[in-house]
Amino acid sequence: NVLTQSPGTLSLSPGERATLSCRASQSVSSSYLAWYQQKPGQAPRLLIYGASSRATGIPDRFSGSGSGTDFTLTISRLEPEDFAVYYCQQYGNSPRLTFGGGTKVEIK
Amino acid sequence: EVQLVESGGGLVKPGGSLRLSCAASGFTFSSYGMNWVRQAPGKGLEWVSYISSSSDYTFYADSVKGRFTISRDNAKNSLYLQMNSLSAEDTAVYYCARERVVTIYGVDYWGQGTLVTVSS
Repeated sequence: NVLTQSPGTLSLSPGERATLSCRASQSVSSSYLAWYQQKPGQAPRLLIYGASSRATGIPDRFSGSGSGTDFTLTISRLEPEDFAVYYCQQYGNSPRLTFGGGTKVEIK
Repeated sequence: EVQLVESGGGLVKPGGSLRLSCAASGFTFSSYGMNWVRQAPGKGLEWVSYISSSSDYTFYADSVKGRFTISRDNAKNSLYLQMNSLSAEDTAVYYCARERVVTIYGVDYWGQGTLVTVSS
């Protein structure tokens, strides 16, 4: 299964809304879809699991939605610390984890 | 506090070998499946390998199958990745990653990574 993220780069200003897309080549169980945030020089951090559940400590401006082959990560109002790269991930058997190519959210 | 600390990265010549280690603490290591995930410079995340909590089964990405071997020592709370026949395409930061399959079905904790550079 291939996960395609779009856009590749999103240029936005603080306070704006960010909408990131993750499209799968085959249907994915919502339970198996997660989102991660990665900042330069850091390891990824789990944001969303089960397509729409926020991980511990994740602010409520982050939300996930979608089903089947189309999933979305929304950041309602961008804070300065939200500018980063975001990856979607599907859980499977083998490959165990399949990642999308990432969307970079940069400051406009 | 959950901690995953990788070590063993470095510079190796093409065709060479390297063994990565990941020291786990702050949780019951023997209860969790573990993964290695890598990231080539400026690129995205690529899953490499998985091992179940009791080493009953292992999985590998096609790109490393036959060259890499994942293992673990639950008595030492440690995860390993033996990498053989390395090529430039294996140059990456390698992350040790704890898997949660109850509810999350993903990685809930990551190490900080260890850099492997394959170059002559």
